[in-house]
Amino acid sequence: GAVVSQHPSWVICKSGTSVKIECRSLDFQATTMFWYRQFPKQSLMLMATSNEGSKATYEQGVEKDKFLINHASLTLSTLTVTSAHPEDSSFYICSARDRGNLYTGELFFGEGSRLTVL
Amino acid sequence: GNSVTQMEGPVTLSEEAFLTINCTYTATGYPSLFWYVQYPGEGLQLLLKATKADDKGSNKGFEATYRKETTSFHLEKGSVQVSDSAVYFCALTSNRDDKIIFGKGTRLHILP
Repeated sequence: GAVVSQHPSWVICKSGTSVKIECRSLDFQATTMFWYRQFPKQSLMLMATSNEGSKATYEQGVEKDKFLINHASLTLSTLTVTSAHPEDSSFYICSARDRGNLYTGELFFGEGSRLTVL
Repeated sequence: GNSVTQMEGPVTLSEEAFLTINCTYTATGYPSLFWYVQYPGEGLQLLLKATKADDKGSNKGFEATYRKETTSFHLEKGSVQVSDSAVYFCALTSNRDDKIIFGKGTRLHILP
């Protein structure tokens, strides 16, 4: 199946710094990518929908200035957590839909990136 | 709005036991239904899916049938293995938008 890769898989940073997480579709093109946040023992919370060449669509309650999303190409979306604080520590997961496969409903997920803010 | 409700875990079973994880949904239109699995330390993987009523999705011995009359998509396996220990997420997408809605997940522990 299609592969989505995230990098880094884990990162530790100091409070107040910014962290960038990359999400790449390795063998397909994705016009749409999704960013999720997963809290311990909880489900995935959709943060935003990343659209290639346009602004991301954020879910209610998600600060767009805090979580910057850029989808500059058909194979890459980035999430930047700006001025990170300990409460931003979480597991961030991206997913993508193969645009060549039109609507099948299936999403392909990255391995996730665990962020720890000290 | 659309939502997915699945049984809370953790669920602990012995190897070779029969497994059922319940999932019900609320959706407008005609959603597609999915089960995703998350093994320890890994991302999510699609386990199976069904795109219309009465469809049965199956993979790795797991099955789930899309029941429109009961708005359910229960996951079943006849004989579980230790390697099935993971978190299982029921999910849906509506044909009206691109978003996927997840249930809260059910953690499954299989004892040898």
